[in-house]
Amino acid sequence: QVHLQESGPGLVRPSQTLSLTCSVSGGSINSGGYYWTWMRRHPGKGLEWIGHIYYSTNVPGRTNYTPSLKGRLTISLDTSKNQFSLRLDSVTAADTAVYICARDRGRLVDGYYYGLDVWGQGTTVTVSS
Amino acid sequence: EIVLTQSPGTLSLSPGERATLSCRASQSLSSSSLVWYQQKPAQAPRLLIFGASIRATGIPDRFSGSGSGTDFTLTISRLEPEDFAVYFCQYYGSTGTFGQGTRVAIK
Repeated sequence: QVHLQESGPGLVRPSQTLSLTCSVSGGSINSGGYYWTWMRRHPGKGLEWIGHIYYSTNVPGRTNYTPSLKGRLTISLDTSKNQFSLRLDSVTAADTAVYICARDRGRLVDGYYYGLDVWGQGTTVTVSS
Repeated sequence: EIVLTQSPGTLSLSPGERATLSCRASQSLSSSSLVWYQQKPAQAPRLLIFGASIRATGIPDRFSGSGSGTDFTLTISRLEPEDFAVYFCQYYGSTGTFGQGTRVAIK
């Protein structure tokens, strides 16, 4: 059974860079065919989809980001460590949230989107001086 | 940017009652990319419905999804004690987006 675990600093200073890692166990990113996804939940709000990175042998790292974070956001993979990461530059208080990683099955050949099937527990990040 | 608005925010019902949850989109959606999840406290969300109306594997038939265009509905025909939870919709078009969720609470 695949398990995801987020890690990273709980406190980041304004204007600095937030770096989070999601470690994958019980399965291998190298098996391919999934979208490795980051989301966040602001206090008292719903989930916000941040972005994902797709891995397959033919497509080793195609990314897609939410427009509101483009230019500040980078999602990357490290298949040797079986983990994927989020880097968010120039953070502000508005980036304070619980950050959650997940595995997305994506849209399959039958045309249906099958959604997120494995979720991490989330990690709280506070941006404050 | 697509916005999904769920209503009501909280639905207070008794076991055995029917629950009707709404997910309204700011623009017309492809039904094939609309999913519903259930989330219980301290648990990861569980996929209930994909393709707006197709139950995922192992989901009881008291759960049904319907709708098209901008209006989608999740119906629980008769609430069981284990159905009291938060439900949220998600759409994946060019990017992903979530509704803010509806809490089904015990009356």
